[in-house]
Amino acid sequence: QKEVEQDPGPLSVPEGAIVSLNCTYSNSAFQYFMWYRQYSRKGPELLMYTYSSGNKEDGRFTAQVDKSSKYISLFIRDSQPSDSATYLCAMIGAGGTSYGKLTFGQGTILTVHP
Amino acid sequence: DTAVSQTPKYLVTQMGNDKSIKCEQNLGHDTMYWYKQDSKKFLKIMFSYNNKELIINETVPNRFSPKSPDKAHLNLHINSLELGDSAVYFCASSQDFGGLRVQPQHFGDGTRLSIL
Repeated sequence: QKEVEQDPGPLSVPEGAIVSLNCTYSNSAFQYFMWYRQYSRKGPELLMYTYSSGNKEDGRFTAQVDKSSKYISLFIRDSQPSDSATYLCAMIGAGGTSYGKLTFGQGTILTVHP
Repeated sequence: DTAVSQTPKYLVTQMGNDKSIKCEQNLGHDTMYWYKQDSKKFLKIMFSYNNKELIINETVPNRFSPKSPDKAHLNLHINSLELGDSAVYFCASSQDFGGLRVQPQHFGDGTRLSIL
């Protein structure tokens, strides 16, 4: 079983929809949580990061963390065709083998059609 | 002006060959990384160097050898290439090795390695 599980999709939504992307994790040592966006044939770019349970908002993006359930989400409001990409969750651990290292989910492929 | 650049972008070669991938960053960062992304988009760290010192070395075959001649460069040499080495290899850099602190990592656009 992978430490971080993410549904690879693909997910296809109409423009303007609210998108929900999710990851679950099994390692209690994970303390920091990130979302990366990866366009086709490009490297991942950091979208958002958080370390506490609760919500963090940045424009149309909201990151949500529930440490008790080991579950994180990324919500995209008013989705645009330019949001079409692969979204990867990533985590850093506080100790053990995950200390200081980014552990990624598999990524969810999102397509927003006009 | 590209922040993290990798060469080559594409590499097609025969099984058994030896090849190198080069990475350079012009961000003034102290820490650099190599990641492997497989065909299912699963991205996994291989190595990390901080100030030319190896700090992360995952369970990677010893056919893979990273080399950091200076803080701005991290190269990856692969000996005796195998079919399973086919993947996209990403180089990344961050300000320093943050441990628990979130250090935004800047990624290059990857080197697509195909083994025939």
